[in-house]
Amino acid sequence: DAKTTQPTSMDCAEGRAANLPCNHSTISGNEYVYWYRQIHSQGPQYIIHGLKNNETNEMASLIITEDRKSSTLILPHATLRDTAVYYCIVRGNWAGSYQLTFGKGTKLSVIP
Amino acid sequence: EPEVTQTPSHQVTQMGQEVILRCVPISNHLYFYWYRQILGQKVEFLVSFYNNEISEKSEIFDDQFSVERPDGSNFTLKIRSTKLEDSAMYFCASGGRNEINTEAFFGQGTRLTVV
Repeated sequence: DAKTTQPTSMDCAEGRAANLPCNHSTISGNEYVYWYRQIHSQGPQYIIHGLKNNETNEMASLIITEDRKSSTLILPHATLRDTAVYYCIVRGNWAGSYQLTFGKGTKLSVIP
Repeated sequence: EPEVTQTPSHQVTQMGQEVILRCVPISNHLYFYWYRQILGQKVEFLVSFYNNEISEKSEIFDDQFSVERPDGSNFTLKIRSTKLEDSAMYFCASGGRNEINTEAFFGQGTRLTVV
C-alpha cells in the first residue's frame, strides 16, 4: 500500500501556482519523497524528488516540512498541459528499494 | 533528451498466446523495471532488474512472466500464456547511472489487449 495521502482532486486557474499537498507521516529517515505525474494514461513522468531540503528544477519546486511528515509540490505557473494525475511517492535510494508504489494520486485540472 | 522507448505501442493477442514486450532503456542506466496499469486502476510494480538479475518482484510477477536483457540494450518482458486479465498498459522504466538508485524514467507504454 502507498505510504502517502493526497487529495483526490484539485483545480487550478491557468497561470496561477498549483500547490499539491502530500502527507507521509510514516516516512523513515533515509526515504526520499518523489513526485511523478501521468498525463492521460501516458507513461508516468518524473518531476522532482528530495530528502529534507527544498528542491527546485525547471518543472517544479518541492517543499518538505522540517519534520518531513508532509510536502508540497508547487507548479509556479500552471498551464493547461499540466492537467494530469500527480503522484507523491516515498522510496529509499539504497539497493533493494527499487519499486515505486503508486497510489491514486491527485487529479489536477488546470482551468482556462 | 534521452528517453525510454517501447515497442509495439499496441499489441493484440489471443488468450493463451505468448507475447514479448520490448523496451530500450536509457543508455548507461543500471536499473530496469516493468510496471503495468489496468484500465482505470493504479500503476503497479511488476519487477526490477539490476546487474543482470531480478532484484525484486511483486506478487503479480508469477511464473507466467519473465524478463531478459538479451543484448545489453534491449529489456524484454515475456508473458508465456496470456490471460484476459493481463490486458493492461505495460510500462518499462530505467534509472540510476551509478550505484545510487535515483529517479526512474518511464516509456510511453505498450497497450496489451488479450482477446
